[in-house]
Amino acid sequence: GAVVSQHPSRVICKSGTSVKIECRSLDFQATTMFWYRQFPKQSLMLMATSNEGSKATYEQGVEKDKFLINHASLTLSTLTVTSAHPEDSSFYICSAGTGGYTFGSGTRLTVV
Amino acid sequence: QKEVEQNSGPLSVPEGAIASLNCTYSDRGSQSFFWYRQYSGKSPELIMFIYSNGDKEDGRFTAQLNKASQYVSLLIRDSQPSDSATYLCAVRGAAGNKLTFGGGTRVLVKP
Repeated sequence: GAVVSQHPSRVICKSGTSVKIECRSLDFQATTMFWYRQFPKQSLMLMATSNEGSKATYEQGVEKDKFLINHASLTLSTLTVTSAHPEDSSFYICSAGTGGYTFGSGTRLTVV
Repeated sequence: QKEVEQNSGPLSVPEGAIASLNCTYSDRGSQSFFWYRQYSGKSPELIMFIYSNGDKEDGRFTAQLNKASQYVSLLIRDSQPSDSATYLCAVRGAAGNKLTFGGGTRVLVKP
């Protein structure tokens, strides 16, 4: 149980463009999903908590206008990185669960 | 003081031995505790979670929780080279449902 699917697994985009990442709960309903970012050799950093039907809660220092989160259904949350720049290149991972939280497979974003 | 602390390692363990990983947390009201394994370049995999004081066993893994000491540990019995990874401790606090992660402990199991 608690399978979380994330797409795409890898994306390369040009600087200034936007990228959308999808996170789906496959066998359960997720009123809350979490979005993390991880830089090489560092631990996970929580970016925001995605809440179904309401606004996301962003962690301190995370620009909500740059990292747009939409959680329109109980099985889908999306993270859009707007006007991406090379410093946004990172590993983005979503998480959800009903007790123990499981992670999606992650999206490796490279901005060139 | 960090909210969740782990020794970064590497913890070097001979194959077949027991690997012992430790994690301390600062929020005394924390409710639940999670251990994840993360291979290089991959997302974390949930190993197990524990809510109550004491031990919880799942296969070769045992989680131990001591809320009075604000301490949670993970034992890996009969360690295998495939157990070589970074192990992340995460804590869910008293308020809200988000997890706070430690920095992770890198484990190397040598054949």
